[in-house]
Amino acid sequence: DIQLTQSPSSLSASVGDRVTITCRASQSISTYLNWYQQKPGKAPRLLIYGASSLQSGVPSSFSGSGSGTDFTLTISSLQPEDFATYYCQEIYGDPPLTFGGGTKVEIK
Amino acid sequence: EVQLLESGGGLVQPGGSLRLSCAASGFTFSNYAMNWVRQAPGKGLESVSTINTNGFETYYADSVKGRFTISRDNSKNTLYLQMNSLRAEDTATYFCAKDHIAGNGRFDGCDVWGQGTVVTVSS
Repeated sequence: DIQLTQSPSSLSASVGDRVTITCRASQSISTYLNWYQQKPGKAPRLLIYGASSLQSGVPSSFSGSGSGTDFTLTISSLQPEDFATYYCQEIYGDPPLTFGGGTKVEIK
Repeated sequence: EVQLLESGGGLVQPGGSLRLSCAASGFTFSNYAMNWVRQAPGKGLESVSTINTNGFETYYADSVKGRFTISRDNSKNTLYLQMNSLRAEDTATYFCAKDHIAGNGRFDGCDVWGQGTVVTVSS
């Protein structure tokens, strides 16, 4: 089974900061990786698919990069509504499709 | 508007059963694989089960294999999760979620999610 390790598990940042979250896969998954945002009490929201493609309706301040085993989600300028928990998910093989452990972005 | 509405959650004793339903609207349900994803209180996301478009291919997390059964009724635009032999560790919010891309023979993650239904397993 593919394992995904996200880092950091949490971070504190200020509005306007550039934030980077990483996701490392236990084996090469090409670009078969999605990123999600989840706010407390809400369902997750798809942000990035295929490692770098922006889902419709998602602000361009979000971007994704990487391939193989190392991936990055970047928020170029953190906004108040971006404080949330972020998850990566591999979509490489057959289900169940593994999620990373999550990264909580908190207000500094 | 694309919508998923889960129902059927509740409080059940260990060893008991529940059947979750997910009513889909706003898209051609039969064209998309569907998923159940759960989240235990204060924890991360866990893929529980996935079913392909015609229901002939089903997949389960090891943690639920042999106890849970996913199914779908494309004539009713509804997804189901039959949960038997429930354990305390099955306590979670269960989300129904639509596969991102139709018709490519792959499973592409989830682009539309329901609001979730809460399952509590406790005596």
